[in-house]
Amino acid sequence: GAVVSQHPSRVICKSGTSVKIECRSLDFQATTMFWYRQFPKQSLMLMATSNEGSKATYEQGVEKDKFLINHASLTLSTLTVTSAHPEDSSFYICSARDPRGINQPQHFGDGTRLSIL
Amino acid sequence: QQPVQSPQAVILREGEDAVINCSSSKALYSVHWYRQKHGEAPVFLMILLKGGEQMRHEKISASFNEKKQQSSLYLTASQLSYSGTYFCGTSRTGNQFYFGTGTSLTVIP
Repeated sequence: GAVVSQHPSRVICKSGTSVKIECRSLDFQATTMFWYRQFPKQSLMLMATSNEGSKATYEQGVEKDKFLINHASLTLSTLTVTSAHPEDSSFYICSARDPRGINQPQHFGDGTRLSIL
Repeated sequence: QQPVQSPQAVILREGEDAVINCSSSKALYSVHWYRQKHGEAPVFLMILLKGGEQMRHEKISASFNEKKQQSSLYLTASQLSYSGTYFCGTSRTGNQFYFGTGTSLTVIP
């Protein structure tokens, strides 16, 4: 079964709306989670690293005031797209790695398809 | 930061072989390979942790040349189910994880 749960799977909303996406690790405690964005026919681009109990680390070019990340517990990270506009429409996906072992792969949520009208 | 994959796209007939390459400009800590179907999350195929290590998942295998900062994915006797986009993923420090540019693979009957 899924070890990382992501909700919602699909969001359609008007321009200017803020959208919150949740990412939960189900079988392990994740001190670190990752948020990616994927535009059609492109690769998954790392947006930020979510750190439990501290500020997220954003990749170059990603606006931290636009994409708010909160990692309040060891099993939950949230990404809020504030005042979303059509250019923010994309596939957003989170991942986490089980820290109990060095050979663990990244576990991905099912992704959230965001469409801003 | 992002590893570069080649080729960008490949079309195979069922039963043919293919090689996908992943190259990084930075030293690599590990290499992961994933396959993504359209509209879905990436599915983990394998991880390589040490230079020279080779792994196998069914008829798909991979190698990791740590010195050259490269990894290759070998698909033999391709099946229709192999179609998708393949991504390598690398973690240099063991923390941040970056995906490669991707290779679209289409297997036709």
